[in-house]
Amino acid sequence: QKEVEQNSGPLSVPEGAIASLNCTYSDRGSQSFFWYRQYSGKSPELIMSIYSNGDKEDGRFTAQLNKASQYVSLLIRDSQPSDSATYLCAVKGGGSNYKLTFGKGTLLTVNP
Amino acid sequence: DVKVTQSSRYLVKRTGEKVFLECVQDMDHENMFWYRQDPGLGLRLIYFSYDVKMKEKGDIPEGYSVSREKKERFSLILESASTNQTSMYLCASTDRGQGSHNEQFFGPGTRLTVL
Repeated sequence: QKEVEQNSGPLSVPEGAIASLNCTYSDRGSQSFFWYRQYSGKSPELIMSIYSNGDKEDGRFTAQLNKASQYVSLLIRDSQPSDSATYLCAVKGGGSNYKLTFGKGTLLTVNP
Repeated sequence: DVKVTQSSRYLVKRTGEKVFLECVQDMDHENMFWYRQDPGLGLRLIYFSYDVKMKEKGDIPEGYSVSREKKERFSLILESASTNQTSMYLCASTDRGQGSHNEQFFGPGTRLTVL
């Protein structure tokens, strides 16, 4: 059974701080990794994807991948109250299976 | 931009009713998915389809069926709704073409309440 684990929240940070969200996965053959943001009552929205070891930056967001440690993280710099949401980590396993395995999410609250 | 739409945002049905949830995507994606999301349980895959008329069971298919007669449309059917099917239902689609990393794009969701 493929598993994706996220650090249990909720996570609370002050406005302007760096928020760090972590995710580990069990399938060593996993190929693609995604971070979704989900506001309360809304559907998940894709915000970052990463496929190679290292860092990928997009604006205030940085995704980090370490396949040897089976670990992926999302850093949010200069956190804003509008970043308050649940963040879902999703992993695509190896092979031709198109399914994603999702973590249960981490609730982030950014306090003004 | 990928657009995935779902037929209703909110739906209230009675126990035993047959319920149809529809999803349409406009990006010619081959793969489409139905999930339900419940507090503490996360996203759980009900069914997915990798082509017209093709379907595969997900993790929790019991009590559900699906239909994909056209590439852009994927329907979820609750044959006889029960109260434990009260949930948020999410549809997603993804490309599987060359170079695709299979990012899934979600519709707005349907919050179904079964009384």
